Amino acid sequence: QVHLHESGPGLVRPSETLSLTCTVSGGSINNFYWTWIRQPPGERLEWIGYIHGNGATNYNSSLASRITLSLDTSKNQISLSLRSVTAADTALYFCAKGGWSMDYWGQGTLVTVSS
Amino acid sequence: EIVLTQSPGTLSLSPGERATLSCRASQTINSNYLAWYQHKPGQAPRLLIYDTSRRRTGIPDRFSGSGSGTDFTLTISRLEPEDFAVYYCQQYGGSPVQSFGQGTKLEI
Repeated sequence: QVHLHESGPGLVRPSETLSLTCTVSGGSINNFYWTWIRQPPGERLEWIGYIHGNGATNYNSSLASRITLSLDTSKNQISLSLRSVTAADTALYFCAKGGWSMDYWGQGTLVTVSS
Repeated sequence: EIVLTQSPGTLSLSPGERATLSCRASQTINSNYLAWYQHKPGQAPRLLIYDTSRRRTGIPDRFSGSGSGTDFTLTISRLEPEDFAVYYCQQYGGSPVQSFGQGTKLEI
């Protein structure tokens, strides 16, 4: 059974960089796609992008200029970096296994952007 | 980007009844690449159906998906108490951006 756990600071200041980590247990990240999704309060889920275990990425064009997804295979972790955040980036952030339909998700971590 | 509209926003039913949830796309979804997820507060979302009608291993057969083109449906044939949750559709055929519906809340 694959288990995903998102972690990171719950509060980020405007204009700073949001950094989140997704730790995967129960399987290697090497041969799969891993996706980040977010849900702002009261809004629908938004696809952020995915990364494959070989490092290939695909980003939502609306966020591409500000995001980087990366891997740490030694720690079995996937990371999200979102630069120059604003209040509009306040959301519940999920990581999930899969690049299209996603068969395992974490519970999500809430990030608030505020001064 | 393909916009998905789910209806109804809220569906009030009782255990044992049949639930029909709709997901309509703003344009044709290639290869019927549409999935359905169940989400309960504080829990990880759960994949139910992928590729429009393929039930994920371990999902009860009371859940079924159908549709094509722009109109898709999730049917729960006989509601169990644990089925009351929010349901989302997702399209992944509209490369390069995937998108989700706004959700249907299924309540008792």
